Amino acid sequence: SQQGEEDPQALSIQEGENATMNCSYKTSINNLQWYRQNSGRGLVHLILIRSNEREKHSGRLRVTLDTSKKSSSLLITASRAADTASYFCATRAYSGAGSYQLTFGKGTKLSVIP
Amino acid sequence: GAGVSQTPSNKVTEKGKYVELRCDPISGHTALYWYRQSLGQGPEFLIYFQGTGAADDSGLPNDRFFAVRPEGSVSTLKIQRTERGDSAVYLCASSRERGGVDTQYFGPGTRLTVL
Repeated sequence: SQQGEEDPQALSIQEGENATMNCSYKTSINNLQWYRQNSGRGLVHLILIRSNEREKHSGRLRVTLDTSKKSSSLLITASRAADTASYFCATRAYSGAGSYQLTFGKGTKLSVIP
Repeated sequence: GAGVSQTPSNKVTEKGKYVELRCDPISGHTALYWYRQSLGQGPEFLIYFQGTGAADDSGLPNDRFFAVRPEGSVSTLKIQRTERGDSAVYLCASSRERGGVDTQYFGPGTRLTVL
């Protein structure tokens, strides 16, 4: 089952603008991660934020986490056409039997128009 | 080094047939995960291996699905009596797995189409 819900489902912006995607989840987590997926195939890990962290930066990416609201946001600054992709948040919680499976949301489809 | 590889990249089969999907993880990664992604959805967990053993198979939808990792490296996902609803992209991921904070590296996936 899907744990998270990304919002919006689709986002279209002009190159150079900032893109903000939100994610809400349901249960306690160990960490939350954001992935990018091009053309419905392999996922690329972007950034991980631990449950005791509130904000993290990596290049043009900024992630925030609010565990009290069970929500996270991903900000991509100065977007480029190459950022066009689907973005997924994934939560990681200990599920027993030593398994740290990722639970993904449905994703936000970002289109950056040149 | 090489990333996670999966073969075949595409597989078309007929309803009722048996299929095997292969995953080659990153060398040295002890943890291996299989996920399934349907159109318009995020990936959903199927099974997790730590070494050779399937430590968590709670995501397998039914007993037609089975996976092995006999030598703790390559894994094969096996689907018996395929159904049209099995059509999806099957993704494999591996990680070094240290306390749940390691990044999972995904392969390009196998797109399975059941006619």
